[in-house]
Amino acid sequence: LAKTTQPISMDSYEGQEVNITCSHNNIATNDYITWYQQFPSQGPRFIIQGYKTKVTNEVASLFIPADRKSSTLSLPRVSLSDTAVYYCLVGDDQAGTALIFGKGTTLSVSS
Amino acid sequence: GAVVSQHPSWVICKSGTSVKIECRSLDFQATTMFWYRQFPKQSLMLMATSNEGSKATYEQGVEKDKFLINHASLTLSTLTVTSAHPEDSSFYICSARTRGDRGIYEQYFGPGTRLTVT
Repeated sequence: LAKTTQPISMDSYEGQEVNITCSHNNIATNDYITWYQQFPSQGPRFIIQGYKTKVTNEVASLFIPADRKSSTLSLPRVSLSDTAVYYCLVGDDQAGTALIFGKGTTLSVSS
Repeated sequence: GAVVSQHPSWVICKSGTSVKIECRSLDFQATTMFWYRQFPKQSLMLMATSNEGSKATYEQGVEKDKFLINHASLTLSTLTVTSAHPEDSSFYICSARTRGDRGIYEQYFGPGTRLTVT
């Protein structure tokens, strides 16, 4: 499974756009990139998933360059409630194996 | 969206007793479920993969005789912590896998179960 590297922590203010970049240099052809959000004492919540280029949903955007060796989760206009740990995971969709979590990025949003 | 539930949400038990945690996929069938454990300030650690109708596959270092997993139906997997000890106190999270609208596998997580062994 491809290993991912993310910043340990990030700080932001309410209303700002936050971009969290994840490095996955050894990503394989069949691997998809998935981002999860976790609040304390809760299970991870699916945010967004993509394979290449750009994916957007109602809460975030995911940018994936052509070489797919990195990806960027973009959170528009964050609020205090976006303070959480964000995990970037890479996995083989066809194999259906479990997602392996790295250390994640702790995002702190202040007013 | 797909919903996964866990029961109980928290449990306190005495050392030496056994505790069962249930994981249910509420609006979809899951042939495969996963169990994770998370200690404070740490990331999730995969414990085992649970397949409906067959034996679970445990990760290296996880004692299969201590953490019994049963996946009796397409919507229910259970984790039993046998002869629990204080070091087993942790946050246990299950997840279930299903194909999303785009035909891609998506993994959804339960809310977790806080186990405290006294």
